[in-house]
Amino acid sequence: DQQVKQNSPSLSVQEGRISILNCDYTNSMFDYFLWYKKYPAEGPTFLISISSIKDKNEDGRFTVFLNKSAKHLSLHIVPSQPGDSAVYFCAVFGSGNQFYFGTGTSLTVIP
Amino acid sequence: NAGVTQTPKFQVLKTGQSMTLQCAQDMNHNSMYWYRQDPGMGLRLIYYSASEGTTDKGEVPNGYNVSRLNKREFSLRLESAAPSQTSVYFCASSESGSRRLFFGSGTQLSVL
Repeated sequence: DQQVKQNSPSLSVQEGRISILNCDYTNSMFDYFLWYKKYPAEGPTFLISISSIKDKNEDGRFTVFLNKSAKHLSLHIVPSQPGDSAVYFCAVFGSGNQFYFGTGTSLTVIP
Repeated sequence: NAGVTQTPKFQVLKTGQSMTLQCAQDMNHNSMYWYRQDPGMGLRLIYYSASEGTTDKGEVPNGYNVSRLNKREFSLRLESAAPSQTSVYFCASSESGSRRLFFGSGTQLSVL
């Protein structure tokens, strides 16, 4: 069973507009959530995270929102830039020191 | 500052051949991981090592073995490669108690 789901395989956004990437998880016991960004031919790199005691965390143009009751988190990028074009993975930190990743959303920011 | 280094970057195998993917980290991290990335499947955990001397199975361990050679190095072995093991393999590490993974740049493996 997929513990973490990203239902949108791809997303295209105009430069300067907002990008919203979504993620759903299955286990209400998860308490730490992360977003990773991946460029082609590179490994994923950490972008932003949020603990379950918060419902929002900001870092510059990136904001992650957590809705625990809906078991849903989202990543907002404002304003979107062409350099943000990448694959974004949602991840959760689970039991046994394991990280569970979603299937990824490929974001294209159109100049 | 190398971080997590994986070798080789590319490899082509024939079905039934064996090979070992190497991973080393220079961040003094206790935990190391092997993931595979497949289209539409995201990153799936193969094996992980919470500390030197320990290894545990992840979601998709079948067909693989691992060795935590020392604190720095964690290798992944395919004893008899199958086409289903064609994938991109990522090694990662993290500090104990930290909830952040650092990834290598990956190994693109094709099994014909």
